[in-house]
Amino acid sequence: SYDLTQPPSVSVSPGQTANISCSGDKLGNKYVYWYQHKPGQSPVMVIYQDAKRPSGIPERFSGSNSGNTATLTITGTQTMDAADYYCQAWDTPSTWVFGGGTKLTAL
Amino acid sequence: QVHLQESGPGLVRPSGTLSLTCTVSGDSFGTSYWWNWVRQSPGKGLEFVGEISHDERTNYNPSLRSRVTISIDTSKSQFSLRLASVTAADTAFYFCARRTENFGIKYWGQGILVTVSS
Repeated sequence: SYDLTQPPSVSVSPGQTANISCSGDKLGNKYVYWYQHKPGQSPVMVIYQDAKRPSGIPERFSGSNSGNTATLTITGTQTMDAADYYCQAWDTPSTWVFGGGTKLTAL
Repeated sequence: QVHLQESGPGLVRPSGTLSLTCTVSGDSFGTSYWWNWVRQSPGKGLEFVGEISHDERTNYNPSLRSRVTISIDTSKSQFSLRLASVTAADTAFYFCARRTENFGIKYWGQGILVTVSS
């Protein structure tokens, strides 16, 4: 099976840049998707196809993917960005895999 | 606007079968869409359960494959999840969602808590 590894937690001060990594074998050869999940709410996709932002997602969210690591970057983190973040990628031949999730604290 | 709504029993007995339905409104079952089930057990992360296309192709989580069946009824704008031989480990919030090929999951249901307990 294919594993995606994320740090359990990332902590930043408001206004700082948060980087959340997602590692997997040859991950750069796959599309990576990122989801924000707040307690009691449905997940929200913040990045698709490695680096594209869906409509309505603030510009401070960006993504990259190369080699074995994809990164979600939040520039100028706001307190409202505090949430769990999950990366997702396709595992050949026929299933999707989520990373274990990263809890972002912005205090 | 696309809306997805999960429905089904909130309590299932151990060794029983979990059955959920997702009703879709404001959308059609287009050829680029895959209809997903994703779950989150208490204190754990998101887990892909499975998905189905409009023409009934399926992809399942290998760890659940032997117990999972996802079906679709486009005439009713619904798709369904059946998970057999459940245990307490299957207690989770279950989300239905719509994935567009190469564009990820943009639309999610609100989620439904299913507890496996006697």
